[in-house]
Amino acid sequence: KNEVEQSPQNLTAQEGEFITINCSYSVGISALHWLQQHPGGGIVSLFMLSSGKKKHGRLIATINIQEKHSSLHITASHPRDSAVYICAVSGNNDMRFGAGTRLTVKP
Amino acid sequence: GAGVSQSPSNKVTEKGKDVELRCDPISGHTALYWYRQSLGQGLEFLIYFQGNSAPDKSGLPSDRFSAERTGGSVSTLTIQRTQQEDSAVYLCASSLAGASGYTFGSGTRLTVV
Repeated sequence: KNEVEQSPQNLTAQEGEFITINCSYSVGISALHWLQQHPGGGIVSLFMLSSGKKKHGRLIATINIQEKHSSLHITASHPRDSAVYICAVSGNNDMRFGAGTRLTVKP
Repeated sequence: GAGVSQSPSNKVTEKGKDVELRCDPISGHTALYWYRQSLGQGLEFLIYFQGNSAPDKSGLPSDRFSAERTGGSVSTLTIQRTQQEDSAVYLCASSLAGASGYTFGSGTRLTVV
């Protein structure tokens, strides 16, 4: 079993839909990260969370430390949100990654 | 510079040759990470540098892989006697400290033929 599990693996949505991507982890962490990887391969760090909730524009990330679970929400989705979203957890030194969720938003 | 810079952006090498990949982190970032992403696979941690401490090499897949970070700034990842399974995008990221937000470079796409 992977230490970081994401769901779903693939997600197709219509423009404007509310999107949720889930991440569960089984190890102790110091922080959880949501990353966005565009088709060209570039990776952008969206959020780093150790508790609670963060919001940036149309993106919202939440984490429940007790349940070892995080969600990434996208409100009013747009085709430019199409990307692979990766959940990662960091411990003392390393970072462990989920397999990613491929999101396609259709106009 | 403003971001994490990696070079070269693309590298094609023959099997058995050595390659060096370079990462220039954001100035002042004490933590530097190397990852790789093989085709169709997720990200894989390779090595971590934090300040002047001994690096965490636990992710290096074999002894053909090594990395240095000179003067706490630029890092070089060296792969000796490259194999086809080494083909991947090698990504570097830096941060102010181990648990702060990361900035990723654009990666080096290595192809071993």
